Amino acid sequence: DAKTTQPPSMDCAEGRAANLPCNHSTISGNEYVYWYRQIHSQGPQYIIHGLKNNETNEMASLIITEDRKSSTLILPHATLRDTAVYYCIVYMEYGNKLVFGAGTILRVKS
Amino acid sequence: NAGVTQTPKFRVLKTGQSMTLLCAQDMNHEYMYWYRQDPGMGLRLIHYSVGEGTTAKGEVPDGYNVSRLKKQNFLLGLESAAPSQTSVYFCASSQSNEQYFGPGTRLTVT
Repeated sequence: DAKTTQPPSMDCAEGRAANLPCNHSTISGNEYVYWYRQIHSQGPQYIIHGLKNNETNEMASLIITEDRKSSTLILPHATLRDTAVYYCIVYMEYGNKLVFGAGTILRVKS
Repeated sequence: NAGVTQTPKFRVLKTGQSMTLLCAQDMNHEYMYWYRQDPGMGLRLIHYSVGEGTTAKGEVPDGYNVSRLKKQNFLLGLESAAPSQTSVYFCASSQSNEQYFGPGTRLTVT
C-alpha cells in the first residue's frame, strides 16, 4: 500500500473551510484514497473516499489531483466538533488492511 | 442497531495474566479487525478475519491470538500479558469500503 504524508497539525477558524492536504506520490492505479477521523479517544470514523474523481458527501469533499499524487479533504464549514485527528489512507479496495499514519491534528478555534 | 461493540471498556491486568477482549457486530459484515493504538500514534493492525472461521496476521500479531467462531464475534486473546501491551484496542468490521470501529478497550498491564 502507498505511503501518505500529512502535516502534523493545522488550525482553522470556526465557520471557515478546513482544507487538509495529503501527499501520496507512490499511489498505484487501483488504490483508493480514504479519509478517516478520530475524535479524542473514540474509534475512527469514516469520512469519504475516492479513486480519481472528486467526491462530496454530507460530511466533506475530496479533491484528488489529476495525477493522483495528492488530495485535499475539505470540511466546508468547520465547527468545534470537527476538532480531531484526520487520517489519509490509500489502499486497494477489498484489500481490507488500513495502514494508519500519524495523521493531521485539526484544531478548530472559535 | 448497535454497530460494533467491545467489552470490556477498561481493564487492568498484572504481568503474566491472561484475558480475552470481545468484539461484536450486528451488521452481518464479513471482515473484522483488531487494532491497537499507543499514545500519539496511529492504529496498527494486530489480526484480522475475512470471514467466519478464518483469521490472519496483521502488522503486530506477536503476543496475541484471535478466533472467529461466529460471524458476528471476533475475540482477541492475550495469553500472558506484558507491560508493552498496555494500549487502547479497537475492533472494526467492514463489508467492502468503509470500516466501522468500536469505542475501544483501554488496557493497562502493570
